[in-house]
Amino acid sequence: DAKTTQPTSMDCAEGRAANLPCNHSTISGNEYVYWYRQIHSQGPQYIIHGLKNNETNEMASLIITEDRKSSTLILPHATLRDTAVYYCIVAGNNAGNMLTFGGGTRLMVKP
Amino acid sequence: NAGVTQTPKFRILKIGQSMTLQCTQDMNHNYMYWYRQDPGMGLKLIYYSVGAGITDKGEVPNGYNVSRSTTEDFPLRLELAAPSQTSVYFCASKRDTGELFFGEGSRLTVL
Repeated sequence: DAKTTQPTSMDCAEGRAANLPCNHSTISGNEYVYWYRQIHSQGPQYIIHGLKNNETNEMASLIITEDRKSSTLILPHATLRDTAVYYCIVAGNNAGNMLTFGGGTRLMVKP
Repeated sequence: NAGVTQTPKFRILKIGQSMTLQCTQDMNHNYMYWYRQDPGMGLKLIYYSVGAGITDKGEVPNGYNVSRSTTEDFPLRLELAAPSQTSVYFCASKRDTGELFFGEGSRLTVL
């Protein structure tokens, strides 16, 4: 699985969009970009994933650059409950691929 | 749907004791994983299974054993507990489209 690079921490004002970047310059053609978050000490929660097209669901949007070497997770209207560690992971979609969790980005949403 | 269920939620062990962390999923997922998370760190893969009767080592398997006799259950066995095994343990199962679903975690302290 390709390696990812994320900022260690970020702040965001409540109600504003939170844009979390991720670099994955060694991503291969069949690897997807997955985003998870971990609130406090709970189990990680799946947010969204994509291959090359931008994706949107009820939680977030995922923007993947055309060369697929980086992506951005967007939380359109961050709330205090979005304070969490956000993990960007790249992995093949074969169910046998392991997902490796690095340090992630600690997002602090402030009032 | 209960999703992924882990027991116990908390446990204190003495050095040298053994125990089993239980994990059950009701989503009929073939792939299951055990991770550990030390304070302030990301998740490290201990063992994984691609189906009943098949298991394999992850990044940090020493001191642990697993079995997978059914699709639903994936217990993690700690033999001769050591203080270095003090951690939070997360079990996860994986949908065919790649998303991981995590349990709430089992917090283990070895004294």
